[in-house]
Amino acid sequence: AQSVTQLGSHVSVSEGALVLLRCNYSSSVPPYLFWYVQYPNQGLQLLLKYTTGATLVKGINGFEAEFKKSETSFHLTKPSAHMSDAAEYFCAVSDRGRGSTLGRLYFGRGTQLTVWP
Amino acid sequence: ETGVTQSPTHLIKTRGQQVTLRCSSQSGHNTVSWYQQALGQGPQFIFQYYREEENGRGNFPPRFSGLQFPNYSSELNVNALELDDSALYLCASSGRTSGRDEQYFGPGTRLTVT
Repeated sequence: AQSVTQLGSHVSVSEGALVLLRCNYSSSVPPYLFWYVQYPNQGLQLLLKYTTGATLVKGINGFEAEFKKSETSFHLTKPSAHMSDAAEYFCAVSDRGRGSTLGRLYFGRGTQLTVWP
Repeated sequence: ETGVTQSPTHLIKTRGQQVTLRCSSQSGHNTVSWYQQALGQGPQFIFQYYREEENGRGNFPPRFSGLQFPNYSSELNVNALELDDSALYLCASSGRTSGRDEQYFGPGTRLTVT
């Protein structure tokens, strides 16, 4: 079975500060890992994903994440927070589905990021 | 901007009623997954359809059922609505396009059960 733990349901940073959102996963097979962002009353937008290859993944809006197999982690970082980054962030793990490219996603409970001016 | 749309955007139903939610898939995709997101929670997997067949199901009762059409659009049906069914329902369209795995979420349908 696969699962995701997001450490910290709320994270607050000042504008310009480093953003670090933590995610640990459990998977019995090589995982596919994702970070999604959700703005109020909207759907999920993919920030970045790891499937194979380079373990440091760069995404949209200046975010990046590093897959560390030994630590079963996939933490999300951004060097300098912007007010527009305030949103809910979800880490997810997936396996490969039958025939289809991606199986079901297992989501964490989410981390609400607040950015102070 | 993705081509995944969901309808309706909002609806209000009474306990015991039935509801049908719809999702269009992205062009070139053959898989649709449905998720329920309760307030303050992460999305929970309901089921997935691949080429018109159910391809996995989460821990939801049989009153949650689905369908995928030949054009790969999909429906989620919920019978005998309960108050706890109030949530944001998200669909995700996935497939391989130009050699790349893709998955896009729709904007969701907000269901309120009173």
